[in-house]
Amino acid sequence: DAKTTQPTSMDCAEGRAANLPCNHSTISGNEYVYWYRQIHSQGPQYIIHGLKNNETNEMASLIITEDRKSSTLILPHATLRDTAVYYCIVRGIGNTPLVFGKGTRLSVIA
Amino acid sequence: GAVVSQHPSWVICKSGTSVKIECRSLDFQATTMFWYRQFPKQSLMLMATSNEGSKATYEQGVEKDKFLINHASLTLSTLTVTSAHPEDSSFYICSARDASGSGVFFGPGTRLTVL
Repeated sequence: DAKTTQPTSMDCAEGRAANLPCNHSTISGNEYVYWYRQIHSQGPQYIIHGLKNNETNEMASLIITEDRKSSTLILPHATLRDTAVYYCIVRGIGNTPLVFGKGTRLSVIA
Repeated sequence: GAVVSQHPSWVICKSGTSVKIECRSLDFQATTMFWYRQFPKQSLMLMATSNEGSKATYEQGVEKDKFLINHASLTLSTLTVTSAHPEDSSFYICSARDASGSGVFFGPGTRLTVL
């Protein structure tokens, strides 16, 4: 079973920041937080991952709370092409597979 | 980022036939690959974990004799759906783990339709 809880859906205006929350209150000390997104009929696309520090790359920023029980994925300037299902996944390193929950369906609106 | 390919991207077959799906890591070696399937409007469901040179580990409820997985090299894993039936129609997706263990990258998926 997935170890994360995400809202079912969210809307965001084009050009605004999209903030996607994720709760992972049972995360273990050696588990990372991963974010992927899936655009309709495509394979999931890696976005970002982190352990305890905030992370930023060309796609997004990941903010992890100090107690690591929740995190927020931030898309700074959402575009229509960011419309997708976003998955927050907790995973250890090594051969551990990614276990997907239901994710958040983000709709970016013009 | 690392690239994972799948072939074919879609396939239509008759009931009772077998279908092979290939998953390749193009620019990195993958000692571990994972196979998922996804039914319409549902999330990805893990089917099995495939390790190079050893037998795959199947998730509970996935028939190993129906879904044959071979991981003969560090860049190729294959999933064969044997004696396919209409209920096997689904979107099959593979992913590959890089050497660091932290990177897991997905293929574009294969849509299987069994008539």
